[in-house]
Amino acid sequence: QKEVEQDPGPLSVPEGAIVSLNCTYSNSAFQYFMWYRQYSRKGPELLMYTYSSGNKEDGRFTAQVDKSSKYISLFIRDSQPSDSATYLCAMSASGTYKYIFGTGTRLKVLA
Amino acid sequence: EADIYQTPRYLVIGTGKKITLECSQTMGHDKMYWYQQDPGMELHLIHYSYGVNSTEKGDLSSESTVSRIRTEHFPLTLESARPSHTSQYLCASSESRGRDGYTFGSGTRLTVV
Repeated sequence: QKEVEQDPGPLSVPEGAIVSLNCTYSNSAFQYFMWYRQYSRKGPELLMYTYSSGNKEDGRFTAQVDKSSKYISLFIRDSQPSDSATYLCAMSASGTYKYIFGTGTRLKVLA
Repeated sequence: EADIYQTPRYLVIGTGKKITLECSQTMGHDKMYWYQQDPGMELHLIHYSYGVNSTEKGDLSSESTVSRIRTEHFPLTLESARPSHTSQYLCASSESRGRDGYTFGSGTRLTVV
C-alpha cells in the first residue's frame, strides 16, 4: 500500500466551479503537508503549506488537514481555465526534510 | 522567474552514453534534491544533499551519481545510459531552516534510445 494515495483524475469542471482535490495517507507521523501545482512541461510550484491539523486560506485556495482521518484537501473557489494543471500533495514527518508525494490529480477547467 | 535552473530541458541520447544533468540554484539553499517523475506516478527521491560534500541516496534505487562541490551546484551523472533511464528528472532545493517547501526546476526530459 502506498503511503500517500491521490486520485489521478482527470477532473474536468466548468469555469467558476468549486474544486475539491484530496489525498489520503497511512503514516500517522506526517505533520507537514503541502500542495503543489504543476503545469505541463514545468516543475511543481508550491501552492499551500500546512502544519498539523486545521485550515489555511490563500486567496481562492483553501488547504484543509484532518489528521484523525488521515485526509487532506485543497479547495479552489471560482476556478479559472488558468487553474488547469496537475495538483500534487506532499507530506513529511517531523525530523526529516524528505517529502512523500502523491501521484497528482490532473485538473481541467473548461471556459 | 526561476531561481533554480536545469539544463538541458530535453535530451535524446543513445544507449551506453555518459550524461550529466545540470542543476544550479541562486537562493543559497543548503538542501538540494533530485526526483524522478514518470506519468501517473508519484515523484521518487533518487538523491539528496544537505550541504557541500554531503550526498545521500534516496528511496528509489538509481544507477546515477551526484556531487555537491559548491552550494549552488548539484549535477546528476549517468555513467552508461539505458532505455530504462528514460524519465523526467526534477531538481529541487529548500532552505536549511524552517519548512518552506521545495523550489523545483523545470526538469530535464531524458529519452534513451
